[in-house]
Amino acid sequence: AQSVTQLDSQVPVFEEAPVELRCNYSSSVSVYLFWYVQYPNQGLQLLLKYLSGSTLVKGINGFEAEFNKSQTSFHLRKPSVHISDTAEYFCAVSDNTDKLIFGTGTRLQVFP
Amino acid sequence: EADIYQTPRYLVIGTGKKITLECSQTMGHDKMYWYQQDPGMELHLIHYSYGVNSTEKGDLSSESTVSRIRTEHFPLTLESARPSHTSQYLCASSTGSRRTGELFFGEGSRLTVL
Repeated sequence: AQSVTQLDSQVPVFEEAPVELRCNYSSSVSVYLFWYVQYPNQGLQLLLKYLSGSTLVKGINGFEAEFNKSQTSFHLRKPSVHISDTAEYFCAVSDNTDKLIFGTGTRLQVFP
Repeated sequence: EADIYQTPRYLVIGTGKKITLECSQTMGHDKMYWYQQDPGMELHLIHYSYGVNSTEKGDLSSESTVSRIRTEHFPLTLESARPSHTSQYLCASSTGSRRTGELFFGEGSRLTVL
């Protein structure tokens, strides 16, 4: 059965610093991978997704993620964060069973 | 900009009351979903629908029920609310399968049962 692990429940960072939010998955078959963002009092919004092709995926708001099959990871990165990036970030994985499994989320807090 | 709407955004009710959470989308999506979200926990799928008159239970057992009489409308009902039903409920829709498609989420309905 597939699962998703987001190792950090909270990540505090100062504005303009780089950030990496970690995501590891377990699955015995090919997977599709997603990052969603949830701003305060809002629904989730797709940030980026990996379906196939280049392992480096670029998303909205300057975020990118790299699919690493050997390490079963899909870490999210941004070279310089802004106050407005403060939000909850969810990693998700799906396989050929048409199930989409979400992680527990990482709260990114950006300080001035 | 979201084209999927949930009402009410916040609801506080007493035990035993019947409640309906509304979800409507204007994108013409066939597929609609209800997720339950609790702090520090992963989102759990509780119901989904792939079209009119089609509803299925999700991965997490729930005492709620849903209906899909119109493409754009996917309400969730609790016949008798209990404190254990306190949670945030997120509605979503998509065009493709969950496997590859982008899910569009509403802003959520936060339910508190006293």
